[in-house]
Amino acid sequence: TQLLEQSPQFLSIQEGENLTVYCNSSSVFSSLQWYRQEPGEGPVLLVTVVTGGEVKKLKRLTFQFGDARKDSSLHITAAQPGDTGLYLCAGHNNAGNMLTFGGGTRLMVKP
Amino acid sequence: GAGVSQSPRYKVAKRGQDVALRCDPISGHVSLFWYQQALGQGPEFLTYFQNEAQLDKSGLPSDRFFAERPEGSVSTLKIQRTQQEDSAVYLCASTLGLVDTQYFGPGTRLTVL
Repeated sequence: TQLLEQSPQFLSIQEGENLTVYCNSSSVFSSLQWYRQEPGEGPVLLVTVVTGGEVKKLKRLTFQFGDARKDSSLHITAAQPGDTGLYLCAGHNNAGNMLTFGGGTRLMVKP
Repeated sequence: GAGVSQSPRYKVAKRGQDVALRCDPISGHVSLFWYQQALGQGPEFLTYFQNEAQLDKSGLPSDRFFAERPEGSVSTLKIQRTQQEDSAVYLCASTLGLVDTQYFGPGTRLTVL
């Protein structure tokens, strides 16, 4: 069974601070995705990383896939209250269809 | 709307009742997935359809859970004799192809009293 562990589980910061969320596994994933989920909604895809060592940027968000494709990180620069939400990492199995999700990091950015 | 829709959005059931949760995927999407998300947790895979064929049901917690997609479009997740531990948000997702971005619906929040 492929498992993904996210840390921290909860994070409360002030507007303008930087933060990093980690997603770790003992298994190799063919690709890894990051989602953001708001209350009462389903997860929305932010990014997919495929290649070991890959770095992708989405405005103030930087995503990195570990060289061994077992871990990933999400770094947010100058967090805004609008960044508040549940951040989920998810790995694709080798067949590329089923997703295994981490437990999520609940982020609150205070104005 | 063009997204995945789910109904009902909220369902309260007494322990022992049967419930049926509906998912309308994006039109033309081949694959459909069901996930269970407990409070404060990430979603967990339940089952997966490719058109009308249920290719993987390894995540269904017990034989009280049953899913179908008879015409390869709308899917129903049925839970028989609901238990309190079944309380969760049930998410549906669909993809255009076999290996594609999963688009999630808003979920159905099931509360079993």
